Amino acid sequence: RKEVEQDPGPFNVPEGATVAFNCTYSNSASQSFFWYRQDCRKEPKLLMSVYSSGNEDGRFTAQLNRASQYISLLIRDSKLSDSATYLCVGQTYSGAGSYQLTFGKGTKLSVIP
Amino acid sequence: NAGVTQTPKFRVLKTGQSMTLLCAQDMNHEYMYWYRQDPGMGLRLIHYSVGEGTTAKGEVPDGYNVSRLKKQNFLLGLESAAPSQTSVYFCASSLRRSVADTQYFGPGTRLTVL
Repeated sequence: RKEVEQDPGPFNVPEGATVAFNCTYSNSASQSFFWYRQDCRKEPKLLMSVYSSGNEDGRFTAQLNRASQYISLLIRDSKLSDSATYLCVGQTYSGAGSYQLTFGKGTKLSVIP
Repeated sequence: NAGVTQTPKFRVLKTGQSMTLLCAQDMNHEYMYWYRQDPGMGLRLIHYSVGEGTTAKGEVPDGYNVSRLKKQNFLLGLESAAPSQTSVYFCASSLRRSVADTQYFGPGTRLTVL
């Protein structure tokens, strides 16, 4: 079983809509979580970290629920430029002072004019 | 400041050929990583390095070798390429491999093995 699972989508939403992505993880030892954004044929880039208390960055809100082992990303007032694949990422301690990232397969978002 | 760069951007190999992918970073980062990304799969860690002269295996190391002779460079080698190694390869670096430390990715190398 993949440690980090996401709905692959695609999510097709009109401009201005609110869209939410969920991600579940199976490794309860995972300590930190992130959302990365990956544009078509480009490299992943960090969008935001995810904290249990929830965190917001402009139109983006991320939330972590450790009891249910899921992470969410909410995008408000969607823009055409938000069209991308969103990767859910978990970080787990792998020993000797180092950590390993586990990537979900990604959720594809298309914002339609 | 170029960040993380990868050479080459594209390559086509025949089965059994060898090649080396070069990753360079100018951010003085300690940690460097090689991932592969395949359709329908998440990024998977091939090898990583926690500092100059050190390397370690990731999730899918078979068929690959790496070297980190200089802090700014991390090389990924394919000794005898196989079609299963057709993929997009991303290099990444981070200041250190600790909790919540951001990994910065290079633009990727698209490799096709015929």
